[in-house]
Amino acid sequence: ETGVTQSPTHLIKTRGQQVTLRCSSQSGHNTVSWYQQALGQGPQFIFQYYREEENGRGNFPPRFSGLQFPNYSSELNVNALELDDSALYLCASSLGDRGGYTFGSGTRLTVV
Amino acid sequence: AQSVTQLGSHVSVSEGALVLLRCNYSSSVPPYLFWYVQYPNQGLQLLLKYTSAATLVKGINGFEAEFKKSETSFHLTKPSAHMSDAAEYFCAVSVSGTYKYIFGTGTRLKVLA
Repeated sequence: ETGVTQSPTHLIKTRGQQVTLRCSSQSGHNTVSWYQQALGQGPQFIFQYYREEENGRGNFPPRFSGLQFPNYSSELNVNALELDDSALYLCASSLGDRGGYTFGSGTRLTVV
Repeated sequence: AQSVTQLGSHVSVSEGALVLLRCNYSSSVPPYLFWYVQYPNQGLQLLLKYTSAATLVKGINGFEAEFKKSETSFHLTKPSAHMSDAAEYFCAVSVSGTYKYIFGTGTRLKVLA
């Protein structure tokens, strides 16, 4: 089975721009979550999608938005990029409630 | 609300020595607990998880952790450190297996030859 794949692996954007990060969940997984990991910190929960609906959100502003598609792949969109948005963005997928998440390798976003 | 505290942002051990990484949690409901490892420039790999079954949980690469409700702890141990264990380790708590995780700030493990 394939794991969680994220694209791109690295990205450099200018302050004020918009960015879209992509995630293909592990085969059969219907739940996807996104996390932001700033340098030297633990991951912070952004939001979760279950069957194409957002069903949980962390303490992030509305300029962070997402989508989940019928094939359970997902996108994270960030508008009006700020320097503090520079981080590793991790996607994680799961099936059901007890197994725990499988994480992707992340997208490293640098905002200059 | 859930929270996680990892004591020691950096831990150094000699190769072959015991590894002990500490994690204390706070949760108003029975928690799900996880340990993840992160190698440089990579994502998170699940080491082990506690989901209310056996309190002693065995994971991959020889790691194990014991859930102690009375101490609200979930410390990670490995009897003998290997050079390849050098990485950052994160403890996480959740109210379920797949709702949002609350991560600790991580412990960077260094293994000395």
